Amino acid sequence: KAGVTQTPRYLIKTRGQQVTLSCSPISGHRSVSWYQQTPGQGLQFLFEYFSETQRNKGNFPGRFSGRQFSNSRSEMNVSTLELGDSALYLCASSSLQGSGNTIYFGEGSWLTVV
Amino acid sequence: GQQVMQIPQYQHVQEGEDFTTYCNSSTTLSNIQWYKQRPGGHPVFLIQLVKSGEVKKQKRLTFQFGEAKKNSSLHITATQTTDVGTYFCAGNSGNTPLVFGKGTRLSVIA
Repeated sequence: KAGVTQTPRYLIKTRGQQVTLSCSPISGHRSVSWYQQTPGQGLQFLFEYFSETQRNKGNFPGRFSGRQFSNSRSEMNVSTLELGDSALYLCASSSLQGSGNTIYFGEGSWLTVV
Repeated sequence: GQQVMQIPQYQHVQEGEDFTTYCNSSTTLSNIQWYKQRPGGHPVFLIQLVKSGEVKKQKRLTFQFGEAKKNSSLHITATQTTDVGTYFCAGNSGNTPLVFGKGTRLSVIA
């Protein structure tokens, strides 16, 4: 079974631009979560989608948004990029939503904002 | 909100020495999970603990969940260079999303 696939793997953007990252979960998984990983802050939760509905949202500004499609694939968008948005963005999928479900991470999208 | 603290932040050990990382939550957890991230890689699920006082072993790794379900530990016996990486604990309560500790970065000197 294929794992969680994230695209693109690496990208460089300039301040003020916007970026869209894509995530294809493990086949059959309906829950997709997004995390931002930086050296100083560790893994911080962005949002979780289940069956096309946002179920949970972390403490990030409105510039960060996401969505999930009917095939469970998900995208996240960051508008008006800032230097501090440089990070590894990790997508994780699980078969169910909520407590106690193991999540499986993709390899991540490395975003550099210059 | 829920916070998960993890110590130490870094640990350097000689190959063959033991290693322990500790995780403490500000709230009672439904479950705790442990992940390992190799340098340049992504977090990979290791184990999940659910019951109060639960202890699980995976070869040289021993995982414990505290009686109050607010703390956990991961102990590695006789570390090897393949153990290098960052170990994260993560927990949640109810339907809240997983909250990760900041991780313990383990270096093993051969």
